[in-house]
Amino acid sequence: LAKTTQPISMDSYEGQEVNITCSHNNIATNDYITWYQQFPSQGPRFIIQGYKTKVTNEVASLFIPADRKSSTLSLPRVSLSDTAVYYCLVGASGAGNNRKLIWGLGTSLAVNP
Amino acid sequence: NAGVMQNPRHLVRRRGQEARLRCSPVKGHSHVYWYRQLPEEGLKFMVYLQKENIIDESGMPKERFSAEFPKEGPSILRIQQVVRGDSAAYFCASSLWGNNEQFFGPGTRLTVL
Repeated sequence: LAKTTQPISMDSYEGQEVNITCSHNNIATNDYITWYQQFPSQGPRFIIQGYKTKVTNEVASLFIPADRKSSTLSLPRVSLSDTAVYYCLVGASGAGNNRKLIWGLGTSLAVNP
Repeated sequence: NAGVMQNPRHLVRRRGQEARLRCSPVKGHSHVYWYRQLPEEGLKFMVYLQKENIIDESGMPKERFSAEFPKEGPSILRIQQVVRGDSAAYFCASSLWGNNEQFFGPGTRLTVL
């Protein structure tokens, strides 16, 4: 089972770019990297998923180096509403593989005015 | 499109009573997952179900907990003879197939008095 390591917390200010790095040294060949966001008293929300290199969508970018042992979630120009916990998960895509996802404590991001 | 729905949102039970938590997945999704989250902790996988089948229940306590996902109707997580330690937020998620993008419900917050 792949295990991820993230910083427990991060602080930022409105308008800054925030980069959250996740280590997953034991990632398997068929594992994808997925990031979720969770606000207090809500369920997690999917942000982005990638396998290698760079993935970008309307809310974030995901950078994955060639060895795939880490990944970096990049949030451009954060606002106060981006204050949340961010989870990095690795797991194989495909039927029946979600049960192998292990959720850590995530990174608690605080965006200050 | 309606997202994952969970009810009740809040449930209070006395020790020894039964708790029934319901989850209606996104329309068309046949994969359902249940997670438990204690205060200040990450999500812990409990069980993964497809229609009428339990695929993986490795995260479920051996006693008092059961889950089902019938052919018709919502998925049910049932906790018998609740104890104070069962107090937590219980999240349900669904996916179209067994890939990593899970859609989460708002959770049910169980309080055991």
